[in-house]
Amino acid sequence: LAKTTQPISMDSYEGQEVNITCSHNNIATNDYITWYQQFPSQGPRFIIQGYKTKVTNEVASLFIPADRKSSTLSLPRVSLSDTAVYYCLVGLNDYKLSFGAGTTVTVRA
Amino acid sequence: SAVISQKPSRDICQRGTSLTIQCQVDSQVTMMFWYRQQPGQSLTLIATANQGSEATYESGFVIDKFPISRPNLTFSTLTVSNMSPEDSSIYLCSVINAYGYTFGSGTRLTVV
Repeated sequence: LAKTTQPISMDSYEGQEVNITCSHNNIATNDYITWYQQFPSQGPRFIIQGYKTKVTNEVASLFIPADRKSSTLSLPRVSLSDTAVYYCLVGLNDYKLSFGAGTTVTVRA
Repeated sequence: SAVISQKPSRDICQRGTSLTIQCQVDSQVTMMFWYRQQPGQSLTLIATANQGSEATYESGFVIDKFPISRPNLTFSTLTVSNMSPEDSSIYLCSVINAYGYTFGSGTRLTVV
């Protein structure tokens, strides 16, 4: 599995855009990049998944450069309720998810 | 996606005792997973539980400490045995189906 590196924490204010970059230099050809969100006292929740270029859904956008060695999760116009831990996951090993340390995003009023 | 009910949601237990955590899914799933999340840490996979076979444990986790049952395609239990304060964590079950992965809300265990 590709090792991922992402910032430990990020602070933001309501209404701002938050961009979290994840490095995954050893990504394999068949690996997809997936982001999960975890609120306190809850299990992780799927946010978005992509393979290359850009993916957008109602929650976030995912930007993946051509070399796929990194990816950026973009959260537009965050609110206090977006305060959570965000995990970048790359690839699967026998359907098993491998979570890194994650990025704690704190949104302030 | 699947809906998971995990019980209990939290418990405080005496050291040396055991706790069994239940995970009920609203649909049949082949693969179920159990994770541990220690305070302030990320999730670590304990084992994979497939119906009709023995659970497969990850490095650092053993069946004697974390016995798992998987009697059917919608239910699994994880037991934390002979608990010590170091077992204080959140334990989560997860399933995969055609819609992806779903996680339960977790069981917050405190061992005193």
